[in-house]
Amino acid sequence: QAGLTQPPSVSKDLRQTATLTCTGNSNDVGHQGAAWLQQYQGHPPKLLSFRDNNRPSGISGRFSATRSGNTASLTITELQPEDEADYYCSAWDGSLSAWVFGGGTKLTIL
Amino acid sequence: EVQLVESGGGLVQPGGSLRLSCAATGFTVSLNYMNWVRQAPGKGLEWVSIIFIEGSKYYADSVKGRFTISRDNSKNMLYLQMNSLRVEDTAVYYCARDPAAATGALDIWGQGTMVTVSS
Repeated sequence: QAGLTQPPSVSKDLRQTATLTCTGNSNDVGHQGAAWLQQYQGHPPKLLSFRDNNRPSGISGRFSATRSGNTASLTITELQPEDEADYYCSAWDGSLSAWVFGGGTKLTIL
Repeated sequence: EVQLVESGGGLVQPGGSLRLSCAATGFTVSLNYMNWVRQAPGKGLEWVSIIFIEGSKYYADSVKGRFTISRDNSKNMLYLQMNSLRVEDTAVYYCARDPAAATGALDIWGQGTMVTVSS
């Protein structure tokens, strides 16, 4: 099962804006949309957004997600030190009956 | 509180077997799509298996024929029977809920249980 494509790392300055990308195909991201997960070292992933641009309760409005075709994006505004983490995108591939993940993007706050 | 708690991980020799358990509280396992996802040390997330509400089961190619997902509705538990374990199965194993219609995402994750396959 092929995975989604994410850049391995992104570095941004404190209080700046970071945009993370995730590219799939018409069977996963392009069909069902994407979800974004945040993971700190040694902790389980946490859902940040689902169905492209919906946030679970309790997730900061600084996190917003969009999708254009087969590419999903997560934008984090006013970067804070606690935003330094790994970010994964995920999507359901109906043709495979499988969840697919991106390789993850390590966000570093400078 | 909605929560998942995994157990059953440990050290096992190549070729051995292990059964992981996932206890759910605050929701009904049989009314959700339940998954196992693993993460090898220093690596990304890898989906392992899913059991649908109606009972259909699907597996990643890497574990097909060796792993079996199941649930016990009376105990509100999810399981992963792992046979013929390989060194490359070493990972933290998470169970995760997918409400499907509600979110279309893996919205609740357990804390994970470590499986180490080594001689």
